[in-house]
This record gives sequence, structure tokens and C-alpha cells, in this order.
Amino acid sequence: QLQLQESGPGLVKPSETLSLTCTVSGGSISDDYNWWGWIRQTPGMGLNWIGSIFYSGATHYISSLRSRATISVDTSKNQFSLKLNSVTAADTAVYYCARQVGGGVWAFDIWGRGTRVTASS
Amino acid sequence: QSALTQPASVSGSSGQSITISCTGTSSNIGGHDRVSWYQQHPGKAPQLIIYEVIRRPSGVSNRFSASKSGNTASLTISGLQTEDEADYYCASHGDVNILVFGGGTKVTVL
Repeated sequence: QLQLQESGPGLVKPSETLSLTCTVSGGSISDDYNWWGWIRQTPGMGLNWIGSIFYSGATHYISSLRSRATISVDTSKNQFSLKLNSVTAADTAVYYCARQVGGGVWAFDIWGRGTRVTASS
Repeated sequence: QSALTQPASVSGSSGQSITISCTGTSSNIGGHDRVSWYQQHPGKAPQLIIYEVIRRPSGVSNRFSASKSGNTASLTISGLQTEDEADYYCASHGDVNILVFGGGTKVTVL
């Protein structure tokens, strides 16, 4: 059974870089079909897609975060990561990693539990 | 401000049916048949309940159904049960290769 688990610091200082990793277990990140994505949820607010990556390294990003976000993949570790630079208080959120169903479906069928990140000095 | 517009809340009595709307534009819902719906209980991760406008993943109750007309997608929950009390989010593939979410709808079972 495929599972995803987010990991990384829960506290990031403003202007610094947020770094999170998602470890995939029970399946291969290199399955040549599914994509892998990051979604965040600000306190009391809705969901926001950040971006997605294919095992080959191909990426898609939401335009509003394209200049600050980098998603990468490490197939040897079955992991993918998110880096978000120049963070502000507005980046405080619960960050989820999730499997994006392949074949152009554009839906996330398996999610991690989420990790809370606070941007504060 | 979310790209897709949902009502903030919808309520219904146990056993009734309710419908949640999700309005976008021709750049997302209207132009793509890649609309999905998610259920989120408090403190939990979202769960996919509808994809590709009308399809249900294996294991999702057939009390959940969905449709799309023009720039608006809809989710219907039939035979409302207490366990359906949750937040519901719509999402859509949009131009170009992006995904946008709605602001979410809180469903209350009276």
C-alpha cells in the first residue's frame, strides 16, 4: 500500500528557505505514470497547489510561486522535495505531498498526513 | 481569493440530498474535463472522492455523484449521513498545466 510522509523543519525564519522532503513507500516514484505534487493549506483557509514533478524531473508550478519554489526528485531514495525561498509569514501553512494520478487526470489520490510549517522569527 | 468559487457552507438534514457548486471560468472548469472533488475531515488530509468530473475512486460511496455544465461543476451527496460532515473542495486543471482549487465548502448535517 503506497504511503507518503512529509518531513522537514516546523519553523523557518522569514527571508530564509523552507525545505521539505516527501518519502514514498510501498511503491516506486519512478513508475513512469504518476506525478508527485505539493499542496499547502493556510490556517483556516483552503488548499493551494504549489507544483508537481515527474520522475524524469519535468515540473509544473503555479505561476504565483514559480519564482520562489523548486521541486526536485531523488529516485534513488524514492523521495521528492520542495524548497521555497524568501519565506514570509504568508507561507505559514500545512504542507502536503501527494500522488498525482498519471495520464493527465490532474487529481491527487494518495496524500501524506501533512506537516505544519510556521514562518516566524 | 480562490480561482474557483464555492459556497462557504451548505447544510442538510440526515437522509436528505445536498449539492455543492463550484464555479470557474473557460480557462479551467469550462475548458477542461479534469474536475476533482476532495473531502477533508478536521485535522486530516484531504481524500479524493471524484475525479475526471464524474468518476468515483474505488471504495468511495455511490452516495457521492458529480456533474459539470459550462463553467460550473457540482457535487451531490445523497442520503446525507453524519459522517459526511466535513469540508469539501473542488479542483480543476487549468491553462496551462496548472491545478486550481476552490475555497472549500463546510457541510453540516442538521
